[in-house]
Amino acid sequence: EAGVTQFPSHSVIEKGQTVTLRCDPISGHDNLYWYRRVMGKEIKFLLHFVKESKQDESGMPNNRFLAERTGGTYSTLKVQPAELEDSGVYFCASSHLGRGLYNEQFFGPGTRLTVL
Amino acid sequence: AQTVTQSQPEMSVQEAETVTLSCTYDTSESDYYLFWYKQPPSRQMILVIRQEAYKQQNATENRFSVNFQKAAKSFSLKIPDSQLGDAAMYFCAYRSAGGGAQKLVFGQGTRLTINP
Repeated sequence: EAGVTQFPSHSVIEKGQTVTLRCDPISGHDNLYWYRRVMGKEIKFLLHFVKESKQDESGMPNNRFLAERTGGTYSTLKVQPAELEDSGVYFCASSHLGRGLYNEQFFGPGTRLTVL
Repeated sequence: AQTVTQSQPEMSVQEAETVTLSCTYDTSESDYYLFWYKQPPSRQMILVIRQEAYKQQNATENRFSVNFQKAAKSFSLKIPDSQLGDAAMYFCAYRSAGGGAQKLVFGQGTRLTINP
């Protein structure tokens, strides 16, 4: 079974440009999460999809960030326009529906975004 | 809101020694889950061990064990007989067990180095 994949692995863009990150969850996982780690700090939650619906977007920093999950499969996270403080590693995770202890979130390798 | 604190940004230990990584958290919830995740260099984050707050017994998983002190809100990870493959970033994380958000709340991480 393929794990969570993310594309690209690295992205370097200029301030003001647009970047789109993609996440492919594990097949059959209805929950999809986006997290971000700014250098040296904690990993912070951005948002949570259940299928194609946004369940919790309380962590989205501002309206420059737009997340979509068309058809409940892969998800994209667009940053437009990018600012310097958006630099960091963006992680995607997926899990089955359910809230139990053993409903594990599986993480992708992350996309390292650098805004110059 | 819940918070997770890892007070050791870096730890270093000799191969075969035992190391304990610290984690404290703050919450007003009575039922929740705690996790330790491991992120090896340039690799995906994987779950190491999990604990349910309602269970008094400390969780164990392979060589790893935790010391869960609910009253003190402490959740440390013990790695005995450390191996070179244990070198990684370790993140402590919290998740609500009730009807609230399913997001993970992470600490800042501890970088563990194993010296041969």
